[in-house]
Amino acid sequence: AQSVTQPDIHITVSEGASLELRCNYSYGATPYLFWYVQSPGQGLQLLLKYFSGDTLVQGIKGFEAEFKRSQSSFNLRKPSVHWSDAAEYFCAVGASMKTSYDKVIFGPGTSLSVIP
Amino acid sequence: DSGVTQTPKHLITATGQRVTLRCSPRSGDLSVYWYQQSLDQGLQFLIQYYNGEERAKGNILERFSAQQFPDLHSELNLSSLELGDSALYFCASSVGWDWRRGEQFFGPGTRLTVL
Repeated sequence: AQSVTQPDIHITVSEGASLELRCNYSYGATPYLFWYVQSPGQGLQLLLKYFSGDTLVQGIKGFEAEFKRSQSSFNLRKPSVHWSDAAEYFCAVGASMKTSYDKVIFGPGTSLSVIP
Repeated sequence: DSGVTQTPKHLITATGQRVTLRCSPRSGDLSVYWYQQSLDQGLQFLIQYYNGEERAKGNILERFSAQQFPDLHSELNLSSLELGDSALYFCASSVGWDWRRGEQFFGPGTRLTVL
């Protein structure tokens, strides 16, 4: 069965510092991978997704993520964090061979705080 | 603003009651997805409709039901409410039915409190 873990419940970084949010998944084949951001009081917004091809994926707002099959990971990175990046971040995994959306699983989320 | 609207923003009701949450998708989007976000369960997919037909079903309880109308707006009906149903309910929409190909756009959510 699929599963998604985000080992860090909460992370605090200083503005301007680099950021890495971890995501590990369990799935038998190459999955579809997503990162979403949820700002306070808002719905989710897609940052980036990986389906196939280049394992380094560029997203919006200066974020990127790298798919590492050997580590079953899809970590999100940003070289320099801005105060507006403070939000909840969700990793999601979808079964690549299934067309039905019920196979998409969301991780528990990582809350990011940014210190000025 | 994603273009997805949800009403009401907040809803407070009592156990055993029934409520209806409404979602209007972005103009041109044919798929609507419903999610539940709670502290203990996290973010869970409930159900997807595409052009009026149920497309995929996730962790939706039998007490819950949904439908998508000809004008493409959708309603999520929650009945025999329990304390544990208190959560934030999101609606999202996308153009097509294949979640792998398109982006979902999320509404601001409806916060349901069951007392």
